[in-house]
Amino acid sequence: QQQVKQSPQSLIVQKGGISIINCAYENTAFDYFPWYQQFPGKGPALLIAIRPDVSEKKEGRFTISFNKSAKQFSLHIMDSQPGDSATYFCAASSNPKKTSYDKVIFGPGTSLSVIP
Amino acid sequence: DADVTQTPRNRITKTGKRIMLECSQTKGHDRMYWYRQDPGLGLRLIYYSFDVKDINKGEISDGYSVSRQAQAKFSLSLESAIPNQTALYFCATSDVAAGGEAQYFGPGTRLTVL
Repeated sequence: QQQVKQSPQSLIVQKGGISIINCAYENTAFDYFPWYQQFPGKGPALLIAIRPDVSEKKEGRFTISFNKSAKQFSLHIMDSQPGDSATYFCAASSNPKKTSYDKVIFGPGTSLSVIP
Repeated sequence: DADVTQTPRNRITKTGKRIMLECSQTKGHDRMYWYRQDPGLGLRLIYYSFDVKDINKGEISDGYSVSRQAQAKFSLSLESAIPNQTALYFCATSDVAAGGEAQYFGPGTRLTVL
C-alpha cells in the first residue's frame, strides 16, 4: 500500500516536444507529492511538488497534474530540451506531524532522453 | 549539493571488509536519511534518523548499521561487505518545519564490493 508506481521506465522525446511521466499511488494518507530530477553523477534534486488540494502546479516548463480520485499524478515537461535529459523520480509522503507515515516513498524512476 | 556532503565519493573494497560512509550537512535539518540506488529499483531507504537519539530502520537495513554522531553527521557502516551491496549510496536531509518532506541529497558514494 505504500508503493508508488511510475511509468514509463524510459522515454525518448524530440527537442521541443512534451515529455509526460505518470505515477500512481494507493495510500490515501499521502499528502505531498514531489518530483526529483537526477543528472548522471549527481544526487536527486527537488524539481517541483504538489499537495492534493490543487489539481495542477506549474513552474516554468514543468507542470504537475494531480488527480486525487484516481490517485494519480504526472509530470509534464513542455518544450523539452536536451538539458532536460535526466532520470526523474516521483515520490509521495505524508506530513509526519499528522500521521504515522513519516517516510518518503519513491517511484522507480524514468530515464528521459531529449534528442536534438 | 554543497549543503550535504558525502565521503568518500568512490570506494572499492573486498568482500568481508568493514567500511564506513560519512555524511555531513550544513542545512541545520534534524532529519537525515541513507538510501541506496540500484538501476531499475529507484531509491530504497536503509536507515533514517529524526534526531540524534531517534534512529529507525528502513526497508533494507539488513547488513547495515548507522551512527548519528551529531545533528549534522550521519554515518553508514557495512560491517562485512558483500558484492550485492555494490550500489550508489545517497545521504539526504529534510526539513519538516518547511511543511513537507522535501529531501536534499548529497552527491552520492559509488561503492563497489569485489
